[in-house]
Amino acid sequence: GESVGLHLPTLSVQEGDNSIINCAYSNSASDYFIWYKQESGKGPQFIIDIRSNMDKRQGQRVTVLLNKTVKHLSLQIAATQPGDSAVYFCAENMAGGADGLTFGKGTHLIIQP
Amino acid sequence: DTAVSQTPKYLVTQMGNDKSIKCEQNLGHDTMYWYKQDSKKFLKIMFSYNNKELIINETVPNRFSPKSPDKAHLNLHINSLELGDSAVYFCASSLRGSKSEAFFGQGTRLTVV
Repeated sequence: GESVGLHLPTLSVQEGDNSIINCAYSNSASDYFIWYKQESGKGPQFIIDIRSNMDKRQGQRVTVLLNKTVKHLSLQIAATQPGDSAVYFCAENMAGGADGLTFGKGTHLIIQP
Repeated sequence: DTAVSQTPKYLVTQMGNDKSIKCEQNLGHDTMYWYKQDSKKFLKIMFSYNNKELIINETVPNRFSPKSPDKAHLNLHINSLELGDSAVYFCASSLRGSKSEAFFGQGTRLTVV
């Protein structure tokens, strides 16, 4: 079936630098996308979401970009901090949403001091 | 206050046993889920449950069964445990139709020996 995937399994950046985590999705019927952060030993934690009628959404230090033409989603984290080290997942939800989220494979973001 | 809580956090058991994992949410959400996260961190939906409507991922063995005594609880029962069932299981909840994020519990690490 269709699924959400990530380009890079591990991303290492210097503290203070900006990071970009990419995600490709293949289900054109998806209309809602979420980025989750998962720290070791914890459950996924919501970071930011975006609906399919938008192409950009900003939060505190984070920005999500959605390119529906190429079915691409990205998460930008500005001025990375040690606490940003985690596994990041993109997830999609089709219209209706009763059958839950489809997650990508995850990118491990490592912040180097 | 914990929004989505699941117990136990760790569960070690022998093959062939039957076990349950409990989940409770105090967010007033109408839909609850169970996800399985394997050793490669891949998260996959197992069940979604909304107002007595159960949607099952077709890949989930029938040894797994969710039980919902009320809207705030969705427990996961597993019969005849197998080695391959070892994983981290996450409960989550959301508001169906609102296109809002799902909130996750802290996870239950199940180890079958």
